[in-house]
Amino acid sequence: ETGVTQSPTHLIKTRGQQVTLRCSSQSGHNTVSWYQQALGQGPQFIFQYYREEENGRGNFPPRFSGLQFPNYSSELNVNALELDDSALYLCASSSSFADTQYFGPGTRLTVL
Amino acid sequence: AQKVTQAQTEISVVEKEDVTLDCVYETRDTTYYLFWYKQPPSGELVFLIRRNSFDEQNEISGRYSWNFQKSTSSFNFTITASQVVDSAVYFCALHQGGANNLFFGTGTRLTVIP
Repeated sequence: ETGVTQSPTHLIKTRGQQVTLRCSSQSGHNTVSWYQQALGQGPQFIFQYYREEENGRGNFPPRFSGLQFPNYSSELNVNALELDDSALYLCASSSSFADTQYFGPGTRLTVL
Repeated sequence: AQKVTQAQTEISVVEKEDVTLDCVYETRDTTYYLFWYKQPPSGELVFLIRRNSFDEQNEISGRYSWNFQKSTSSFNFTITASQVVDSAVYFCALHQGGANNLFFGTGTRLTVIP
């Protein structure tokens, strides 16, 4: 059974640019959640996708958007990057929106 | 409103000592789930345990044990005979029934000194 994978591992962007992060869910899971973890903090919920539809969103601006594909993999897109967007972005998958979430290794984004 | 408090920011212990990580939560829901995750330096959050609000039985898994007490809204985690490999940041998290996201505490950094 393949776990949750994320790409890329690390990314460096400059302020104002756009970025796309990718996540492949664990086999058999149809739900993907994205979290932002700033240095020294706990992860903060960005949004969740369930069966290709957004199924809840945290307190993040619209420049954070996402997609889920028919194979349940997902993308997180961030437009107009700001310095404060520098963080570890974690993707988690689950067998439904209420079940245990299993996390990927994360993508570390640095915005200069 | 929901809240998870991990008052211990950092803990250091010598190998083979026992250590308890505290977690206090707040929720108005009667149905909820509590979790512990481990985050080693690599960054990946590793699932350790999930408890639902109707099951207050303590749980033991090898050197790990969890004490869930609804009366004090606490879900504490004990590592017995700690090892260097236990060094990590540990997060307690709350999932309210009907919600779709985990709400995390700020984490406790555990360092086990050989």
